[in-house]
Amino acid sequence: AQSVTQLGSHVSVSEGALVLLRCNYSSSVPPYLFWYVQYPNQGLQLLLKYTSAATLVKGINGFEAEFKKSETSFHLTKPSAHMSDAAEYFCALYGAGNQFYFGTGTSLTVIP
Amino acid sequence: NAGVMQNPRHLVRRRGQEARLRCSPMKGHSHVYWYRQLPEEGLKFMVYLQKENIIDESGMPKERFSAEFPKEGPSILRIQQVVRGDSAAYFCASSPPGVAVSSYEQYFGPGTRLTVT
Repeated sequence: AQSVTQLGSHVSVSEGALVLLRCNYSSSVPPYLFWYVQYPNQGLQLLLKYTSAATLVKGINGFEAEFKKSETSFHLTKPSAHMSDAAEYFCALYGAGNQFYFGTGTSLTVIP
Repeated sequence: NAGVMQNPRHLVRRRGQEARLRCSPMKGHSHVYWYRQLPEEGLKFMVYLQKENIIDESGMPKERFSAEFPKEGPSILRIQQVVRGDSAAYFCASSPPGVAVSSYEQYFGPGTRLTVT
């Protein structure tokens, strides 16, 4: 079965602090993994993707994620949060069945 | 270069009415996907279409829902006889033709928020 679990539906960090958004996956085949960001009343924008090349993936806006097969994880990080990072973040898996499977999302709040 | 466009952005329907949601993919894109996002949930795949063809509709409810992507014009997601449980945000995404799976990428529209009263 294919699924994505995002731990923590709400995360708050102070401006300048480390951002860590957690994502674990379950897949019967080697997965492709993605992180998307959604700003209010907008569509999803791709942050980064893992497609079986380097396990550490760098994306836009200073975000990166590391694929860890042993932990079935693909956590999203950013060293220093900015106010403009406040948004909803979705982890997604593209696996068996040629479909995308999305997590339930994590709402990131950045405190000034 | 305009992104994926969806209209209307907000739609209110009474129970039993029909809802029509439109999606215009990015220029040059011939693959369209529809997703539904229920409150407090992630996006759920509904259907994948190419021009004039339904490729995968495994996520579509068996009744009342249909989708099309004609040769000309936008893709349409149609919900007949809407019920309160259909209230959700419906997102459309598009991708270009011939994209390799290894670089799989979808571009999302802003969504249509359907409210059934």
